[in-house]
Amino acid sequence: GEDVEQSLFLSVREGDSSVINCTYTDSSSTYLYWYKQEPGAGLQLLTYIFSNMDMKQDQRLTVLLNKKDKHLSLRIADTQTGDSAIYFCAENTDKLIFGTGTRLQVFP
Amino acid sequence: SAVISQKPSRDICQRGTSLTIQCQVDSQVTMMFWYRQQPGQSLTLIATANQGSEATYESGFVIDKFPISRPNLTFSTLTVSNMSPEDSSIYLCSVRGLGSLGNTEAFFGQGTRLTVV
Repeated sequence: GEDVEQSLFLSVREGDSSVINCTYTDSSSTYLYWYKQEPGAGLQLLTYIFSNMDMKQDQRLTVLLNKKDKHLSLRIADTQTGDSAIYFCAENTDKLIFGTGTRLQVFP
Repeated sequence: SAVISQKPSRDICQRGTSLTIQCQVDSQVTMMFWYRQQPGQSLTLIATANQGSEATYESGFVIDKFPISRPNLTFSTLTVSNMSPEDSSIYLCSVRGLGSLGNTEAFFGQGTRLTVV
């Protein structure tokens, strides 16, 4: 079945790194995505990784993929207050299946 | 990326009425989708909007409740029919297959926040 899970909440101090984790179940997923949703806004595509890769870096964002364990993570370096939002991972087979979302709170 | 405009951005509706949400994209896209995000929840795919034919609905969603149109490659509508308070959600339009980006990247509109009273 299709099931994408995330921890619900993460709190970090400004300037620290944040790591948001995601587990998925469908091994046929071709791409895996990270989206950001700020209050009252739609979803912003942050980054994505092909299933044949194990790491992708894009400025402050690092995505790690462990296909064997079906585990995906998003690391945000030097976390800022503007990073406070809900982060969704999503897996793609023939459609996007979204995780439960992780609310990231950044405090000074 | 695409500019995706949804109208209305929010609405408060009486139960038993219907609301049609519009999604306009500033360029042609291959695929358009409609999602629902219930309060505090993740996104659930309602249906894929197919140009010139009936939408493809996911399990738990039916055409009578959520009729969808897609007359061309840049526009789609979702109607929430005979609304009840349980339909209070954010409804989001999503597109894939934008120009040279292929079908890899999926973009979202800002959503329509619906409250049914």
